[in-house]
Amino acid sequence: AQTVTQSQPEMSVQEAETVTLSCTYDTSESDYYLFWYKQPPSRQMILVIRQEAYKQQNATENRFSVNFQKAAKSFSLKISDSQLGDAAMYFCAYRGGIDSGAGSYQLTFGKGTKLSVIP
Amino acid sequence: SQTIHQWPATLVQPVGSPLSLECTVEGTSNPNLYWYRQAAGRGLQLLFYSVGIGQISSEVPQNLSASRPQDRQFILSSKKLLLSDSGFYLCAWTPDPEIRPNYGYTFGSGTRLTVV
Repeated sequence: AQTVTQSQPEMSVQEAETVTLSCTYDTSESDYYLFWYKQPPSRQMILVIRQEAYKQQNATENRFSVNFQKAAKSFSLKISDSQLGDAAMYFCAYRGGIDSGAGSYQLTFGKGTKLSVIP
Repeated sequence: SQTIHQWPATLVQPVGSPLSLECTVEGTSNPNLYWYRQAAGRGLQLLFYSVGIGQISSEVPQNLSASRPQDRQFILSSKKLLLSDSGFYLCAWTPDPEIRPNYGYTFGSGTRLTVV
């Protein structure tokens, strides 16, 4: 079974600075997808960024970017120019590819990293 | 555009009472639907998923059940709530993964359930 590990339960960053959240995963599949979700205090889950495993280029969405290291099974999230609105729980998630079978279409989540932004 | 609705937003129920949480999706057809529970503000536990009407897969044995009476409707139920059922429940949908495997999930706004 796939597992997703977020080793940092809590992190903090100064406003306008850069922070990196770590995520590692365990899988025997070659085709899969990785996601970062943000959960602010409202508890609404918001998709931040996604990465296809077959793509070597790291995904970028405005101030958010990932460092995808397939061989190391690592998928970290970098937030640049941190803003107060970035304070939230961040969840890393894994999804198997279509060859994995229907049951693997489910997302497997890490336990989350609580990010605080210091003004 | 697609939207997902989940209700109620907040619920306080006594132990032993029944439960019914509803989730509906608009603007798409044949979605995959999911129920997750988040306890103590951390970690999401998959409870049920459905790939079609009447098709329910359970991931965790418990006193909860799920049903999908219509293509875009997903219901989480219990006949008798336990204290341990308290938590934050999230519904989510995704398009057919064989068509759009990289889509990820879109979540509803959640239901905060407190069993007293």
